Amino acid sequence: DAKTTQPNSMESNEEEPVHLPCNHSTISGTDYIHWYRQLPSQGPEYVIHGLTSNVNNRMASLAIAEDRKSSTLILHRATLRDAAVYYCILRDHGSSNTGKLIFGQGTTLQVKP
Amino acid sequence: EAEVAQSPRYKITEKSQAVAFWCDPISGHATLYWYRQILGQGPELLVQFQDESVVDDSQLPKDRFSAERLKGVDSTLKIQPAELGDSAMYLCASSFLDRNSPLHFGNGTRLTVT
Repeated sequence: DAKTTQPNSMESNEEEPVHLPCNHSTISGTDYIHWYRQLPSQGPEYVIHGLTSNVNNRMASLAIAEDRKSSTLILHRATLRDAAVYYCILRDHGSSNTGKLIFGQGTTLQVKP
Repeated sequence: EAEVAQSPRYKITEKSQAVAFWCDPISGHATLYWYRQILGQGPELLVQFQDESVVDDSQLPKDRFSAERLKGVDSTLKIQPAELGDSAMYLCASSFLDRNSPLHFGNGTRLTVT
């Protein structure tokens, strides 16, 4: 299973953009990059995922490097409610496996008022 | 929006006792997952079902843990006997078969073994 590397923690100021990096140098051709976040005392929630092209949704944007060995989750305007642990996960979309999500330690994001 | 339901929310049990957790996934979701999360760590997959069949239980401690999803809908995870090291959050998640379909997690059962 391909692994990801994320910083343990990051800080941001409220209403400023946040760029959360993720390295995945051993990514394979069928791996999609998924991001989940976990707020305190809750289960993880889906944020966004992509393969090669940059992706946008109502929660965030995902910028993927051209060689796919790294990606960045972008929160355009951080709020206090965005304080959470953010997980970058490679999910194999190939048909020959279960497609399970393997979580690492994630990045703990603190948002300061 | 539909949610994954888990019960109980909290459970305290003594070591060597049996304990069970229940999960009701979102309607129509064929895939169901049980994860264990130790405080300060990311969730660890214990078992994955597709309908009523186990597709991955490689990380499930089978000497004491068991999981079932008899009718391919709700699921039960059991620990017997519980050990102190089993204290953790147990999370259930469900999704459609499509790999582009995200996992939806419940809020978990917090287990404390004394």
